[in-house]
Amino acid sequence: DAGVIQSPRHEVTEMGQEVTLRCKPISGHDYLFWYRQTMMRGLELLIYFNNNVPIDDSGMPEDRFSAKMPNASFSTLKIQPSEPRDSAVYFCASRRGPGEAGELFFGEGSRLTVL
Amino acid sequence: QKEVEQNSGPLSVPEGAIASLNCTYSDRGSQSFFWYRQYSGKSPELIMFIYSNGDKEDGRFTAQLNKASQYVSLLIRDSQPSDSATYLCAVKRTGFQKLVFGTGTRLLVSP
Repeated sequence: DAGVIQSPRHEVTEMGQEVTLRCKPISGHDYLFWYRQTMMRGLELLIYFNNNVPIDDSGMPEDRFSAKMPNASFSTLKIQPSEPRDSAVYFCASRRGPGEAGELFFGEGSRLTVL
Repeated sequence: QKEVEQNSGPLSVPEGAIASLNCTYSDRGSQSFFWYRQYSGKSPELIMFIYSNGDKEDGRFTAQLNKASQYVSLLIRDSQPSDSATYLCAVKRTGFQKLVFGTGTRLLVSP
């Protein structure tokens, strides 16, 4: 099976532009997580979905960030307008079930640079 | 106080030595503990998880958990240069789905 697929792998944009990051979870996984990783703050959970429904978005930094999961095989994370402090690696991860041993499978990440 | 704390390192050990990586957590409701390895420029991958106090061994890796002290560690025996990576500690509360990660410890194993 293919792993978690993210696109784009790299994105360079200018401040104020809209950025859309995409994720395809592993087939059959019902949990999807969006994390952001920076050197200073490490991996931070932004939002997660269960069966396409957003469950916890308390980590979303502000209204400039939004995430959707229109179906079981696709999710987007949108930043509008983008700012230089949004520069980070954004990871999507998926998992099957809520079990305590449920392993998170990460995509390769989308490296965002906002100039 | 951060929920999960790790020394950022780098921790340098010679090949063949034991590497000891440590993690403390603040939430006493944490029940599941995970160690992920992340190579530079790559995504995290799970090495081990542990729930119960004591030790859990898997090949060259041993996870140790002390809930009273709120302390988790990872021992890597016979360290290899290929073990050089950042090791992330993560914790999870029972009934909650999110994993909270530490900022990671960078391990360097020299030949």
